[in-house]
Amino acid sequence: EAGVVQSPRYKIIEKKQPVAFWCNPISGHNTLYWYRQNLGQGPELLIRYENEEAVDDSQLPKDRFSAERLKGVDSTLKIQPAELGDSAVYLCASSSTGNTIYFGEGSWLTVV
Amino acid sequence: GENVEQHPSTLSVQEGDSAVIKCTYSDSASNYFPWYKQELGKRPQLIIDIRSNVGEKKDQRIAVTLNKTAKHFSLHITETQPEDSAVYFCAASYQKLVFGTGTRLLVSP
Repeated sequence: EAGVVQSPRYKIIEKKQPVAFWCNPISGHNTLYWYRQNLGQGPELLIRYENEEAVDDSQLPKDRFSAERLKGVDSTLKIQPAELGDSAVYLCASSSTGNTIYFGEGSWLTVV
Repeated sequence: GENVEQHPSTLSVQEGDSAVIKCTYSDSASNYFPWYKQELGKRPQLIIDIRSNVGEKKDQRIAVTLNKTAKHFSLHITETQPEDSAVYFCAASYQKLVFGTGTRLLVSP
């Protein structure tokens, strides 16, 4: 069974530029998460989807971050414009209802 | 909201020794407590989890205990091996999974 797939794995951009990350969850998983992990810290939830509905986006900085999950499968997370403090690993994860959360390998963002 | 504290931040042991990592949580409604292992540059991977209707769970060299009254849960690794070296995260969940700050475990041969 394929795991959670993310792209790109690595991205270096200049500040004020836009960036987008893509995620393909495990087949059949209706819940999709985007987490941000700063160096030396635990993952922090940005947004959680149940199918195509964003049910928890309280931690998403909505002035510059946006996300979508069209058709309730793949998802994209966008940052525009990026700031230096956005440098982190962006982890996508998925689960079936009430069960284990599986993480992707992450998208490593460096903003210079 | 939920707050999870994890100790210690760093743990060094000799191969064959036991390692214990402790976490506390704040939301008494939390009912799911997974532990993740994250190797450098890799994804967090679930190693064991426990639900609030169980006090202890064991899987080979790994065990987790839960004290709901005190809102504590712990990870126990016995007979540690160098390949156990990684960062370990605890987490607590009711409707949202909240992670601890991580413990860097170093097992020396």
